[in-house]
Amino acid sequence: GESVGLHLPTLSVQEGDNSIINCAYSNSASDYFIWYKQESGKGPQFIIDIRSNMDKRQGQRVTVLLNKTVKHLSLQIAATQPGDSAVYFCAEGGAGNNRKLIWGLGTSLAVNP
Amino acid sequence: EAQVTQNPRYLITVTGKKLTVTCSQNMNHEYMSWYRQDPGLGLRQIYYSMNVEVTDKGDVPEGYKVSRKEKRNFPLILESPSPNQTSLYFCASSWADPTSKQYFGPGTRLTVT
Repeated sequence: GESVGLHLPTLSVQEGDNSIINCAYSNSASDYFIWYKQESGKGPQFIIDIRSNMDKRQGQRVTVLLNKTVKHLSLQIAATQPGDSAVYFCAEGGAGNNRKLIWGLGTSLAVNP
Repeated sequence: EAQVTQNPRYLITVTGKKLTVTCSQNMNHEYMSWYRQDPGLGLRQIYYSMNVEVTDKGDVPEGYKVSRKEKRNFPLILESPSPNQTSLYFCASSWADPTSKQYFGPGTRLTVT
């Protein structure tokens, strides 16, 4: 696969453990937050999103938590599997007429069997 | 199958030789966008289009052109490529705007020598 990022923050977990990936966002006016997953050699893929009027949202094995007080977003992955190994991007958006997204630089998740 | 396609997937070219990377989506999406991805810099938006015949600059538009003559197609044109445009390029589409779930293409690896 193709390398999509060098010197990324890396989280290494054991298969079956829970993973928590953190993200700090910058704009207090952002009202929408989203996580994408990028596997090696592929384009990013939507995982889960959350609006600013919520502080928690759950999907299948994933949970996103939003703390607006400290402008912090986290993605929790339950029972991490080898297929979860990827780079994870957070993005904030919604401010302004074009609802532009501001992307984070990504976190690499490595799942050890 | 709902998808975004890009062609070519890999391209090696020389400085100054005009090239076009095609992007097509089959989901009748209004919004389309081009990103480049470089190690350590994450995803940076080049151009986007909110609808047919409507295009706007993203964060790094210099050296690129786009057009949106049809809803499904959003080609990226490099009139005179330079080595600093060597990168991994992604096309994406969504039904309304960047805060809608974006579907990404598989990427185009461009090398300019």
